Amino acid sequence: NAGVTQTPKFQVLKTGQSMTLQCAQDMNHNSMYWYRQDPGMGLRLIYYSASEGTTDKGEVPNGYNVSRLNKREFSLRLESAAPSQTSVYFCASTYYDSNQPQHFGDGTRLSIL
Amino acid sequence: RKEVEQDPGPFNVPEGATVAFNCTYSNSASQSFFWYRQDCRKEPKLLMSVYSSGNEDGRFTAQLNRASQYISLLIRDSKLSDSATYLCVVLSQGNLIFGKGTKLSVKP
Repeated sequence: NAGVTQTPKFQVLKTGQSMTLQCAQDMNHNSMYWYRQDPGMGLRLIYYSASEGTTDKGEVPNGYNVSRLNKREFSLRLESAAPSQTSVYFCASTYYDSNQPQHFGDGTRLSIL
Repeated sequence: RKEVEQDPGPFNVPEGATVAFNCTYSNSASQSFFWYRQDCRKEPKLLMSVYSSGNEDGRFTAQLNRASQYISLLIRDSKLSDSATYLCVVLSQGNLIFGKGTKLSVKP
């Protein structure tokens, strides 16, 4: 049972490049989340999907887009990467609402040069 | 006032010590409370939920004071393996709000 799987684990981009971070969960969870974590900061919510077919902005959505491809998969896209988006990105999932604990993937470490 | 505030530490304690972490939250309507543990360069993992009556899981005890908007985590008989960052997490307005974490280092 893999839980929450994120790919890639590491990535280096140049400013202006685009890329998509992938996330998949096999726990039949309905809700999925993307966070970023920066040194000295708590995890900050970028976007979330309460259920298949819906997405909503979190605290720091600017510069990102998301797609809830199906119940299992939730991707995060950077259209034009900026150095300020250098961070560790975590995907998480839970059952219907965030009253339940969230399960996290092991993160994607992204550097923008 | 930040939504969830924690003492960043680090707390450096010897093995066997008892250590307590505190957390305050700003939204009095917050509904659920958790402690997560995060090891260096790893993902956060749920340590325990926090209930109004207080709850215990082995060496770990969590308490909630809604009137003071205060959450605590007590670790008894610290082990080397307890070294990590402990995140206070609050469900507020439908989303989880994470504190910045308190770093614990347990020394032999």
